[in-house]
Amino acid sequence: TQLLEQSPQFLSIQEGENLTVYCNSSSVFSSLQWYRQEPGEGPVLLVTVVTGGEVKKLKRLTFQFGDARKDSSLHITAAQPGDTGLYLCAGARHSGYALNFGKGTSLLVTP
Amino acid sequence: KAGVTQTPRYLIKTRGQQVTLSCSPISGHRSVSWYQQTPGQGLQFLFEYFSETQRNKGNFPGRFSGRQFSNSRSEMNVSTLELGDSALYLCASSSTAGGNEQFFGPGTRLTVL
Repeated sequence: TQLLEQSPQFLSIQEGENLTVYCNSSSVFSSLQWYRQEPGEGPVLLVTVVTGGEVKKLKRLTFQFGDARKDSSLHITAAQPGDTGLYLCAGARHSGYALNFGKGTSLLVTP
Repeated sequence: KAGVTQTPRYLIKTRGQQVTLSCSPISGHRSVSWYQQTPGQGLQFLFEYFSETQRNKGNFPGRFSGRQFSNSRSEMNVSTLELGDSALYLCASSSTAGGNEQFFGPGTRLTVL
């Protein structure tokens, strides 16, 4: 059973479009991270959210942690080909516990 | 600061063999975690080592084992390889025990024939 469910699994859009990726769970997390992984590489940490309702922005990327700390979303504005990759959410049920990863959303942005 | 390094990057083995993968964490990081990534299951946690002690362990059979050395470098070993062990094995380091902000290496691609 996957603790974190990500949707959609695959997303193919054109440059300039906006998109939102979701990460949902029935469990509460002490923190949640978003990573991006490119082919042949390991995941790279984008952001960590800790407080329910927290919103963080990283240039054109906006991350939100749900009020109940059970879900999160990643919104990309005006997507660019460089945004192409596998977006993974990961959460820790308690601080110091092992991370649980979602299966990821594979994003393809075409020029 | 150099990132996490993993060797080898690619490995081909046959069923029944054993394999050892190596990971060097970021300098100063004492926590090393190992993950298996497959298209079907995604990223799954194998184990975490901190100061040469295993802190956490995922739900994998005993054929998967690991260790950490005094310089924080870590190795993982898989014995009696099965076809289903074909995967990308990722190592991640963190500055604290159970640190949730993990820095990943490029991975070792293991193919079992």
